[in-house]
Amino acid sequence: EAGVAQSPRYKIIEKRQSVAFWCNPISGHATLYWYQQILGQGPKLLIQFQNNGVVDDSQLPKDRFSAERLKGVDSTLKIQPAKLEDSAVYLCASSLLAGGGEQYFGPGTRLTVT
Amino acid sequence: GENVEQHPSTLSVQEGDSAVIKCTYSDSASNYFPWYKQELGKRPQLIIDIRSNVGEKKDQRIAVTLNKTAKHFSLHITETQPEDSAVYFCAATNTGNQFYFGTGTSLTVIP
Repeated sequence: EAGVAQSPRYKIIEKRQSVAFWCNPISGHATLYWYQQILGQGPKLLIQFQNNGVVDDSQLPKDRFSAERLKGVDSTLKIQPAKLEDSAVYLCASSLLAGGGEQYFGPGTRLTVT
Repeated sequence: GENVEQHPSTLSVQEGDSAVIKCTYSDSASNYFPWYKQELGKRPQLIIDIRSNVGEKKDQRIAVTLNKTAKHFSLHITETQPEDSAVYFCAATNTGNQFYFGTGTSLTVIP
C-alpha cells in the first residue's frame, strides 16, 4: 500500500513570498489533515477535510493560509504572504474513516522563511 | 476544543529500565487515544493506540493504559533499548476524528 505523498520535501523562501504544498493521501482515505509542527512541539491541526468538505479549520490563520481539496483526493496548502514564524514542518495525514480511526502521516515539507 | 497535556517533556532512562509517559485530556467525548513515535527528521509513526471501551492494551514491550474517569492515559515501555530513543506524542480524538496532540516527550535511553 502506497503511503501519503507530499511535495516538495524542503522549501526556503523569503518573508512575504508565497508558497504551496501538495499532498496525495492514501487511496480511498476520505479524511485528510494538514498539520504544522514547529521544532520541539507537537503537530498542530491546521485544517481537516472529509472528502472535499472542511470539517475543522479553526486553527488555520485564514488571513494568510488557505487549503483546498477540490476532488476529494489531492490537497494543496498555500501560505501568502509568509512570515518568519511560519517556519515549520508541514505534515499531511490521512485516515480511512472519520470517528477515531488511525491516521497515516506523510514525510512532511520543511519550510524555512528567511 | 480538546486540550491534551503531556508529561514529562524529557525523560532519560538506563537501558533495560522502564519508561512511563503520561497524558491528560479535557474532552470527555474523546474516544481514541493513539501514541506516536517520531525520530529526528522523520514522520510520526503510530506505535500503539487504545479506544475508550478498553482500559489497557499491550504490544510486546509497549503498553497503554486509559483511565476515563480521571481523563488520563499513559504509555509504558519496558526493557528499554537505545533504539527507543525518540520523541513520543500522545493524541486524543473524538467522533469527528479531530486529532489533538500533546507537546511531546523526548526519551533518551542511555546504553
